[in-house]
Amino acid sequence: DTGVSQDPRHKITKRGQNVTFRCDPISEHNRLYWYRQTLGQGPEFLTYFQNEAQLEKSRLLSDRFSAERPKGSFSTLEIQRTEQGDSAMYLCASSLAYSGTGELFFGEGSRLTVL
Amino acid sequence: DQQVKQNSPSLSVQEGRISILNCDYTNSMFDYFLWYKKYPAEGPTFLISISSIKDKNEDGRFTVFLNKSAKHLSLHIVPSQPGDSAVYFCAASGGAGNTPLVFGKGTRLSVIA
Repeated sequence: DTGVSQDPRHKITKRGQNVTFRCDPISEHNRLYWYRQTLGQGPEFLTYFQNEAQLEKSRLLSDRFSAERPKGSFSTLEIQRTEQGDSAMYLCASSLAYSGTGELFFGEGSRLTVL
Repeated sequence: DQQVKQNSPSLSVQEGRISILNCDYTNSMFDYFLWYKKYPAEGPTFLISISSIKDKNEDGRFTVFLNKSAKHLSLHIVPSQPGDSAVYFCAASGGAGNTPLVFGKGTRLSVIA
């Protein structure tokens, strides 16, 4: 039973460096989402894909953030010129479009610490 | 502008008693509501959901109630068990459950043995 997997689980970087996170969704799911969670907050929506098309981006997603899903399977989230405020848990989730339930299946997250 | 609000950051309940977690929303376009449970260092896991055409959904020890006129939902856990101790997130979606989930800030439930 393969769920959503994320890599790396934890990344420590210095301010100004670039980081990239990878997400492998559940294989039959055509939608893939990125969320960010900081301490004391709920997951905040960043962006999502249906197959390879990026359908929506939150205004939280600054120009330093870019996400891709080139073949409609795995996705990457890159943060350029990291800032201390980027420190958070980055959560990936997948689902079937039009499932009728709205349920998302989450990975365990990638924790980013920017020093 | 928080569209989904969980006003209680934490809740403590004795084992065996009922836990009631509350959630309010502001967007009348939401038509699916979900509860997720999160343990430390893990991703959120789905617990139970309800469609706006219903006012109650039950799954074992977990029941979710929806009051559309008040834009309020609640999760009841009975009886509460120590393993239920976690952070619970309320989430909502529109477009027949087809838009990205909007989450509340969560309520930390502690079940005391």
